Amino acid sequence: TQLLEQSPQFLSIQEGENLTVYCNSSSVFSSLQWYRQEPGEGPVLLVTVVTGGEVKKLKRLTFQFGDARKDSSLHITAAQPGDTGLYLCAGNRVGSGNTGKLIFGQGTTLQVKP
Amino acid sequence: ETGVTQSPTHLIKTRGQQVTLRCSSQSGHNTVSWYQQALGQGPQFIFQYYREEENGRGNFPPRFSGLQFPNYSSELNVNALELDDSALYLCASSRDSGNSPLHFGNGTRLTVT
Repeated sequence: TQLLEQSPQFLSIQEGENLTVYCNSSSVFSSLQWYRQEPGEGPVLLVTVVTGGEVKKLKRLTFQFGDARKDSSLHITAAQPGDTGLYLCAGNRVGSGNTGKLIFGQGTTLQVKP
Repeated sequence: ETGVTQSPTHLIKTRGQQVTLRCSSQSGHNTVSWYQQALGQGPQFIFQYYREEENGRGNFPPRFSGLQFPNYSSELNVNALELDDSALYLCASSRDSGNSPLHFGNGTRLTVT
């Protein structure tokens, strides 16, 4: 059983379209992070959200942390081919101690076609 | 500043053998965490080292062990390799064992035949 469920697992869209990736859990997290990973590379941190209801924007990417701190979403506006990659959500469960002991979702593979 | 570096980048081993993977942490970072990422999956936490001591462990058997050195670099050792150990092994360093962001290396791709 995956503690953090990401959906969808695969997404193939045309350049210019909008998309949303979801990350859900039945557990409460003290913080949630979103990473992007390209083939042959390690994950790169995009954002950390720590407060329930928090919304953060990074250019065309909008991240939201659920009010109950059990879920998060990533919305990309006007996707570009450079957005192609594996998107991972990861979190620290309440009481886990520190950010090194992250629980990851299974990832969403995004392909943006020109 | 120098990022997290891992060696080797690729490795092929036979079932039953032992392997050692190495990680140099980013300059100024004293904490190293290791993750296993199977193909098509998210990374899974193996363990963390802080000040040369294990500081938390995930659901991995004792044949997965590690070390951290005084310069904060780290090793991951896996004994009695199994086919299911084939994966990308990621090392991540952070400034401390608190809420500092993780910086990942590019991983070591281990194939067990």
